Amino acid sequence: DTAVSQTPKYLVTQMGNDKSIKCEQNLGHDTMYWYKQDSKKFLKIMFSYNNKELIINETVPNRFSPKSPDKAHLNLHINSLELGDSAVYFCASTPGQGKNTQYFGPGTRLTVL
Amino acid sequence: AQSVTQLDSHVSVSEGTPVLLRCNYSSSYSPSLFWYVQHPNKGLQLLLKYTSAATLVKGINGFEAEFKKSETSFHLTKPSAHMSDAAEYFCVVTHSGGYQKVTFGTGTKLQVIP
Repeated sequence: DTAVSQTPKYLVTQMGNDKSIKCEQNLGHDTMYWYKQDSKKFLKIMFSYNNKELIINETVPNRFSPKSPDKAHLNLHINSLELGDSAVYFCASTPGQGKNTQYFGPGTRLTVL
Repeated sequence: AQSVTQLDSHVSVSEGTPVLLRCNYSSSYSPSLFWYVQHPNKGLQLLLKYTSAATLVKGINGFEAEFKKSETSFHLTKPSAHMSDAAEYFCVVTHSGGYQKVTFGTGTKLQVIP
């Protein structure tokens, strides 16, 4: 019973393609996040949604478009992929917007060739 | 505004010796502080958290951390390192001023030498 799941786990694609990463949480949490972890292991928040509404957008290029069809899902669509998009993308969720523990998914390793 | 500084990018210890991973923070709000561990090619796992209760926080796998407001620090310690502790460790600060602002430190890679 995985709490936060992501698909796919690995994604290899060519520059210029469009791809999506999916995230689902079965914890009943209200808030979900996307993070990008670069090759130096630095984790940076990209987006946060609370009850399907966008609440954080950390100056991410508009090639990245998150979508939350319901509060258990937060998907990330990336248009016109670039080499610099290669990273590990982590989804996370929290019960709400307070000082809560983040529950992380296993990550999606995106490689752009 | 808030920030997190992990003072060491790499720490190397011998198995059985103490571990100290340093973290300093700044926050305009009353923060919560967390330590997460990431083993190679794995996701992040919560080790422990401070949320304005006891300043000495005990976590999993024998780790603990002490919140020192006067020093704006939240250093992670363990009395005796085990080989399985080798991983990347992240200090995180959050607050709930309006929405949950989450800031990660840059990580400390812990190497344990047999």
